[in-house]
Amino acid sequence: GESVGLHLPTLSVQEGDNSIINCAYSNSASDYFIWYKQESGKGPQFIIDIRSNMDKRQGQRVTVLLNKTVKHLSLQIAATQPGDSAVYFCAENKGGSYIPTFGRGTSLIVHP
Amino acid sequence: GAGVSQSPRYKVAKRGQDVALRCDPISGHVSLFWYQQALGQGPEFLTYFQNEAQLDKSGLPSDRFFAERPEGSVSTLKIQRTQQEDSAVYLCASSLESSGNTIYFGEGSWLTVV
Repeated sequence: GESVGLHLPTLSVQEGDNSIINCAYSNSASDYFIWYKQESGKGPQFIIDIRSNMDKRQGQRVTVLLNKTVKHLSLQIAATQPGDSAVYFCAENKGGSYIPTFGRGTSLIVHP
Repeated sequence: GAGVSQSPRYKVAKRGQDVALRCDPISGHVSLFWYQQALGQGPEFLTYFQNEAQLDKSGLPSDRFFAERPEGSVSTLKIQRTQQEDSAVYLCASSLESSGNTIYFGEGSWLTVV
């Protein structure tokens, strides 16, 4: 079936580097995408979202890029800090749906 | 508090026991979601409420799972005759309106069935 998936299950970076977490989606009807951060023992925390009529959106230290041609979503974290260590999920809302569908997640490990 | 509150945080149930998990959404939030998260996996959708109406329960894995939100605020997820495969974190989330609003998650209820 159609699903949201992530290319890399684990990403290790050095403190201060930029991180890029990738996500592939297969449902062309999806019109809203969200990135969540989940720390151990906690619920997912909203980071940033983007609608399908945009291809880039920036937040504080984070940027989300959407490439609808190849159905690809990425999260860029600038100047990664140890506190950024967590599992990152992308989620999609299929067209007209209120319900986010989550991918498996990427574990980001930041080394001091 | 200002966030989504879930209780109990941890529950150990004997196989066959019934459990009830409670969710207090953010005050005024119309939409409420329940998700199930197995270890090492992403959250899997269970059910969705808009006020007191359960608009989607397509993710409930069996008829042993039941959710309600009778007054459009607090919600309860009930699991009857628990099985070991029910062991997971049950996440509740709420949003102010429906589509396109930021969804806020609670810390989850960790269920272990022994």
